[in-house]
Amino acid sequence: ETGVTQSPTHLIKTRGQQVTLRCSSQSGHNTVSWYQQALGQGPQFIFQYYREEENGRGNFPPRFSGLQFPNYSSELNVNALELDDSALYLCASSTGQGTDTQYFGPGTRLTVL
Amino acid sequence: AQSVTQLGSHVSVSEGALVLLRCNYSSSVPPYLFWYVQYPNQGLQLLLKYTTGATLVKGINGFEAEFKKSETSFHLTKPSAHMSDAAEYFCAVSTTSGTYKYIFGTGTRLKVLA
Repeated sequence: ETGVTQSPTHLIKTRGQQVTLRCSSQSGHNTVSWYQQALGQGPQFIFQYYREEENGRGNFPPRFSGLQFPNYSSELNVNALELDDSALYLCASSTGQGTDTQYFGPGTRLTVL
Repeated sequence: AQSVTQLGSHVSVSEGALVLLRCNYSSSVPPYLFWYVQYPNQGLQLLLKYTTGATLVKGINGFEAEFKKSETSFHLTKPSAHMSDAAEYFCAVSTTSGTYKYIFGTGTRLKVLA
């Protein structure tokens, strides 16, 4: 069974640029959640996709957007990057049930200069 | 609204000593509670979870946690610390309807002294 994978591992961008992060969900999972973890903080919920539809969003501006594909993999897009967007971005896959565990990928470290 | 508070951003214990990491939650409905561990430059790994049933939950690597509704707590313990336990630990509460998102605490960094 393949776990959750994310790409790229590290990324360096400059302010104002756009970035796309990718996540492959675990086999059998139809839900992907994205979290932002700033340095020294706990992960913060960005949004969740369930069967290709957005299923909830945290307190993040519209320049954070996403997609989920028919194979349930997902992308996180961030436009007009700001310095504060520098963080570890984690995706987690699950079956979408409340009692189910969310399985996290290793994350993408984004640095905005 | 749900929230999680982790008391102590840094905890140091000697190898072989008891590990106690504190987590208090706020929730208007019965919560689902989780503990995750994060090693440097890695993602989050589930240690254990409480959904319903037995309030003492056993997890991986010898960790366990007890759900105490009256104290709104879900503290993580391990009888004897090992050097490999040094990591960051996060407590999380899951919403129980609608979007099943996690709300995390700010984390506790555990240091194990030889």
